[in-house]
Amino acid sequence: DVQMTQSPSTLSASVGDTVGISCQAGRDIDRYLNWYKQRPGEAPQLLIFGATTLQSGVPSRFSGSGSGMFFTLTIRGLQPEDAATYYCQQSYTLQVVTFGGGTRVEIK
Amino acid sequence: QLQESGPGLVKPAGTLSLTCTVSGDSISNSLWWTWVRQPPGEGLKWVGEISHTGTANYSPSLRGRVTMSLDKANNQLSLNLTSVTAADTAIYYCARTSKIQYYYYIDVWGTGATVVVSS
Repeated sequence: DVQMTQSPSTLSASVGDTVGISCQAGRDIDRYLNWYKQRPGEAPQLLIFGATTLQSGVPSRFSGSGSGMFFTLTIRGLQPEDAATYYCQQSYTLQVVTFGGGTRVEIK
Repeated sequence: QLQESGPGLVKPAGTLSLTCTVSGDSISNSLWWTWVRQPPGEGLKWVGEISHTGTANYSPSLRGRVTMSLDKANNQLSLNLTSVTAADTAIYYCARTSKIQYYYYIDVWGTGATVVVSS
């Protein structure tokens, strides 16, 4: 399996801040990296695929970067509705897909 | 839209069976159909996936206990997990995996079905 490690596990920031969430793969996964957002009590939703491509309908304050083993999800101008848990997921090895452990974003 | 259904309570050592009904799309039109579960207070765990041709891939940790299948006539997919324990208690999501170029991603999710394993 390709292990996916996210950091931090929790972050707290104010409305309007810029925050970054890191995801490290256990091996080179090129750009086969997706990001999801999950609000409490809801199903996850796709934010970014292919490491950098914004899913249709997702606000432009979300962006993804990275390749190989190191990736970042950046939220610029944090909004109250961004309070959620964010997960990275590798799709390099389709036979065994893996998620990161999640990063909980709290609004101060 | 995807809607999971099935018993919310399963006895230990029993079999967990869930159905996902797909509406607004044919299961034959999508590359992969995926199951993801989320134990209480934990993160997302990939259970496995099945292609529109019936090829399935399963999580190594569940291999031997899990089976997925398609019912094209009724536009449904199903998940069976045998010999369940309390560790299988989770919200189970069915989802659609799509592809652009070489990139696969889960773009549609069901609302989730809560399954508790308890006597």
